[in-house]
Amino acid sequence: GAVVSQHPSWVICKSGTSVKIECRSLDFQATTMFWYRQFPKQSLMLMATSNEGSKATYEQGVEKDKFLINHASLTLSTLTVTSAHPEDSSFYICSARGGGAKNIQYFGAGTRLSVL
Amino acid sequence: QKEVEQDPGPLSVPEGAIVSLNCTYSNSAFQYFMWYRQYSRKGPELLMYTYSSGNKEDGRFTAQVDKSSKYISLFIRDSQPSDSATYLCAMSDPGGFKTIFGAGTRLFVKA
Repeated sequence: GAVVSQHPSWVICKSGTSVKIECRSLDFQATTMFWYRQFPKQSLMLMATSNEGSKATYEQGVEKDKFLINHASLTLSTLTVTSAHPEDSSFYICSARGGGAKNIQYFGAGTRLSVL
Repeated sequence: QKEVEQDPGPLSVPEGAIVSLNCTYSNSAFQYFMWYRQYSRKGPELLMYTYSSGNKEDGRFTAQVDKSSKYISLFIRDSQPSDSATYLCAMSDPGGFKTIFGAGTRLFVKA
C-alpha cells in the first residue's frame, strides 16, 4: 500500500515552454502533498506544501508564479514549471501524506526535467 | 544548529559488513522517526518507521531510537552491493505538520 505515482519520469523541453508534472496517490487519500527539488548529490529541498482544496504554501525563495501547484483532489497534485529555462533543469520529487501512518511521507519516483 | 544532523559520507564497506548509519536531532518534540533509501535518480523509498523510543527490526535492517540522547540509528546486516544508495533519516512531531529530513548518507557496498 501507500503508492505514489509521478509522471512523467523524464521530460525534455525547449526554453520558454511550460511543463506539467503529475503526482497521484494510488491507494490512499493524500491530505497533504509536498514538492521537492533535488540537485545531483544534494539533499531534498522542499519547494512547497499543498493541502487539498487550498492554495499551496511555498518555501522562502521559491517563485510562486514560476512553480504553479494545484491540489485539486485528495489523490492528485500537479506542479507546472512555467516558462522554463535551463536553470530550472533539476530532479523534482513529490510526496504525499495521509496513508496508514499519517506522519509518513510516501514519495513518487521523481521527474527529471531538462530544459534546452 | 540544524534540527537534524546526518553525516553525508560517503561510507564505503565490503560486502557482508554491518553498516551503521546515524542521525542526531535537537527538537525533543519529534516522535516519529523514519529511514528512507534513495537510489540514484529515483524518489526516496520508506525503509523503516518507528514511533518514540526503542528498536524495530525488518529482515536485515534494524532501526533504533534513543530519545534521551536524541540519536537514531539504522543498522544493515550482511550488507549487499544492492544496498548501495543514499540513506535519509527523517523525523516529525506528533501533529505531523513538520517533517525534517537529514542530508542523507551515501553508502557504497563493494562486492
